[in-house]
Amino acid sequence: ETGVTQSPTHLIKTRGQQVTLRCSSQSGHNTVSWYQQALGQGPQFIFQYYREEENGRGNFPPRFSGLQFPNYSSELNVNALELDDSALYLCASSFQERRTGELFFGEGSRLTVL
Amino acid sequence: DQQVKQNSPSLSVQEGRISILNCDYTNSMFDYFLWYKKYPAEGPTFLISISSIKDKNEDGRFTVFLNKSAKHLSLHIVPSQPGDSAVYFCAASGGSNYKLTFGKGTLLTVNP
Repeated sequence: ETGVTQSPTHLIKTRGQQVTLRCSSQSGHNTVSWYQQALGQGPQFIFQYYREEENGRGNFPPRFSGLQFPNYSSELNVNALELDDSALYLCASSFQERRTGELFFGEGSRLTVL
Repeated sequence: DQQVKQNSPSLSVQEGRISILNCDYTNSMFDYFLWYKKYPAEGPTFLISISSIKDKNEDGRFTVFLNKSAKHLSLHIVPSQPGDSAVYFCAASGGSNYKLTFGKGTLLTVNP
């Protein structure tokens, strides 16, 4: 069983640039969620995708956008990067029909904005 | 507004003793609670969960207790082992989606 994989693991961008983070879901999972974990904080929900459509969104501005592909992999795009976007971005997959709330996380992509 | 609170940033215990990690929540709509463990440079991994219709769930050395009237849950680890040293996150969900609301985490250190 393949777990959740994310790429890249680390990246550095400058303010105003755009970034795309990628995630491959765990085998058999049809839902993907993205979380932002700032230093010293718990993960914060950005949005969730199910069947290629956004299925819920947290308190993040529209410059945070995403995609889910037919193979259930996903992308997180952030435009007009700000210094406060520096964080660990976690992708998590789950099986929507299992209403247990258990998510399987990848190792994360650590973004530094200079 | 922090809906899930872990008021202890860190906890240190001796190997073999009990570790008790606490979590409080404010949102009455939460009906499912989870604990995740996170090692450095790794993503959070699911540890144990509890539904709001129960007050206790046990899995090996790990037991989660839920007190709905107090909006409080706790994770007990007995006996604690050095490999348990990690950051522990309390999380909660409710309603029809699977958004998890996390606390800030508690760093557990188990000393040999």
